[in-house]
Amino acid sequence: GQNIDQPTEMTATEGAIVQINCTYQTSGFNGLFWYQQHAGEAPTFLSYNVLDGLEEKGRFSSFLSRSKGYSYLLLKELQMKDSASYLCAVGDSNYQLIWGAGTKLIIKP
Amino acid sequence: GAVVSQHPSRVICKSGTSVKIECRSLDFQATTMFWYRQFPKQSLMLMATSNEGSKATYEQGVEKDKFLINHASLTLSTLTVTSAHPEDSSFYICSAREPDRVALGYTFGSGTRLTVV
Repeated sequence: GQNIDQPTEMTATEGAIVQINCTYQTSGFNGLFWYQQHAGEAPTFLSYNVLDGLEEKGRFSSFLSRSKGYSYLLLKELQMKDSASYLCAVGDSNYQLIWGAGTKLIIKP
Repeated sequence: GAVVSQHPSRVICKSGTSVKIECRSLDFQATTMFWYRQFPKQSLMLMATSNEGSKATYEQGVEKDKFLINHASLTLSTLTVTSAHPEDSSFYICSAREPDRVALGYTFGSGTRLTVV
């Protein structure tokens, strides 16, 4: 079956760094996406990885290892506004997104 | 960048009535749109895949006669919740992606908060 796992909740301190992991098992692979979702709002696109390695975009970076079925989202210099849920999703062979349950990130001052 | 407009953002309706939610791609043509439902503190649940000019593909457990999807043009898909019940109260979100531009991700509408009383 298809499965995406990520931690349910994480807590970090303002100004620190946090890494959110995601492991997946899907039928086919057409890229891995990370989205940010604030409570009561729709998700917004953060990153896309289709090849192995690290993609850096400002304070956010995303890493992919296809052989391990593993990705992480790295958030640096955490700000209070980064408190949100972070969703990992994989595009399957039909480019349909398979979603993880999301990781709720709590930032403390 | 790609923009998806979703209306209404909030709607309250009485049990037994129907509600229509619109999803428009504003600056690109979307042959495929996706409809999701999200209950509080839960992840997105794909309800159906809407294909322009053909019947929608529904996920297992989603009643196609209750959740009517119409994708009559390349920029508009609608979801109609028929004979709504309080348990249909949820956050409904549509999404689409620009064809051949996978790296840009899937753009989401702003969502519709449906409350059935």
